[in-house]
Amino acid sequence: DADVTQTPRNRITKTGKRIMLECSQTKGHDRMYWYRQDPGLGLRLIYYSFDVKDINKGEISDGYSVSRQAQAKFSLSLESAIPNQTALYFCATSDRRGPSQETQYFGPGTRLLVL
Amino acid sequence: TQLLEQSPQFLSIQEGENLTVYCNSSSVFSSLQWYRQEPGEGPVLLVTVVTGGEVKKLKRLTFQFGDARKDSSLHITAAQPGDTGLYLCAGVEYGNKLVFGAGTILRVKS
Repeated sequence: DADVTQTPRNRITKTGKRIMLECSQTKGHDRMYWYRQDPGLGLRLIYYSFDVKDINKGEISDGYSVSRQAQAKFSLSLESAIPNQTALYFCATSDRRGPSQETQYFGPGTRLLVL
Repeated sequence: TQLLEQSPQFLSIQEGENLTVYCNSSSVFSSLQWYRQEPGEGPVLLVTVVTGGEVKKLKRLTFQFGDARKDSSLHITAAQPGDTGLYLCAGVEYGNKLVFGAGTILRVKS
């Protein structure tokens, strides 16, 4: 079984709808991240959490919210989806190490299309 | 947030050729990473370089970190079709957040 799982893998929704993307991990890591990937822009950080009680905004948090329900679960919500949120979304985890040992483990991604 | 510029954006070469991908920034990072991503999957870490001037080799892949810790390169010798994929560099900021470059799409034709 995969260490980092994301559901759904694909989602089509309409403008204005609320949707939730879910991420679960079995690696026992404290740190979890949500990124979006757009062609030509690489991965950009939306939100991150260093433990269950910690939530931090990333580079592009507007229009998104997150919930860290447990160490193993980190959900991303789009309260009112808009077409420019069409992208590939990745969840990642890492454990608490120094910068030279930072390894992030990525889920398989969720492809979201907002019509 | 610091920025990383990655070049080229796209590279299409024949099997057996050599290539180099560059990753440049005006800022210093605590370390720099290279990831490889295949279609339908998330990025997978290839290497982390930490010390200015450091060179690491992974089979036919050679990674170098600039002396000032602002830039890095990935060199592939005798590319194979299995090397095809998206290569991403990522700077590790103090606090362990990653800043990604836009990526290089590599296609190796047989």
